[in-house]
Amino acid sequence: DIQMTQSPSSMSASLGDTVTITCLASQDIGNYLSWYQQKPGKSPKLMIYGATNLEDGVPSRFSGSRSGSDYSLTINSLGYDDEGIYHCHQYYEYPLTFGSGTKLEIK
Amino acid sequence: EVQLVESGGGLVQPGASLKLSCVASGFTFSDYWMSWVRQTPGKTMEWIGDIKYDGSYTNYAPSLKNRFTISRDNAKSTLYLQMSNVRSEDTATYYCTRVGNSYVMDAWGQGASVTVSS
Repeated sequence: DIQMTQSPSSMSASLGDTVTITCLASQDIGNYLSWYQQKPGKSPKLMIYGATNLEDGVPSRFSGSRSGSDYSLTINSLGYDDEGIYHCHQYYEYPLTFGSGTKLEIK
Repeated sequence: EVQLVESGGGLVQPGASLKLSCVASGFTFSDYWMSWVRQTPGKTMEWIGDIKYDGSYTNYAPSLKNRFTISRDNAKSTLYLQMSNVRSEDTATYYCTRVGNSYVMDAWGQGASVTVSS
């Protein structure tokens, strides 16, 4: 199975900050990487797919990038609405797998 | 608007069976692969499996394929997850998802909570 090592597991940042969450894939997954935002008590919401593509309706403050096997989600100009858990997910190969999640708290 | 509504969750005893349903609306259900994903109380996400748009093919997580079965009824726009011989570690929130045109899960239901306990 492809392991997705996500870091950090939790983080706290201030309003207006820029934060980056990363996932390292244990083997090649091409650009078959997505990012989900999950707010407390809600289901995950697709933010980024294809490693770098912004889902319709997602603010441009969110961006995805790739460097080799490292995938990153960057959020600019943090707002209170960005608080939640962020999950990376590879859909390159079965069984599909997820990172362990990053809990983002806004101070 | 795409909507996925799960039902059938609840408290179930170890060793029992349970069937979850997911009713889809807002899109042509029979055009899409669908999948199930679960989230443990610790918030870890686990992919369970998926099913082809016509129901002719399924894929499963190896650790679950002997106990879980995914099926669909396109006439009813409904996806199913049959769980058998459930264990305490199956306690989770179960999500129905749509697999979009870019092969990514682009829509999720609100989730069905399953608790396995005696």
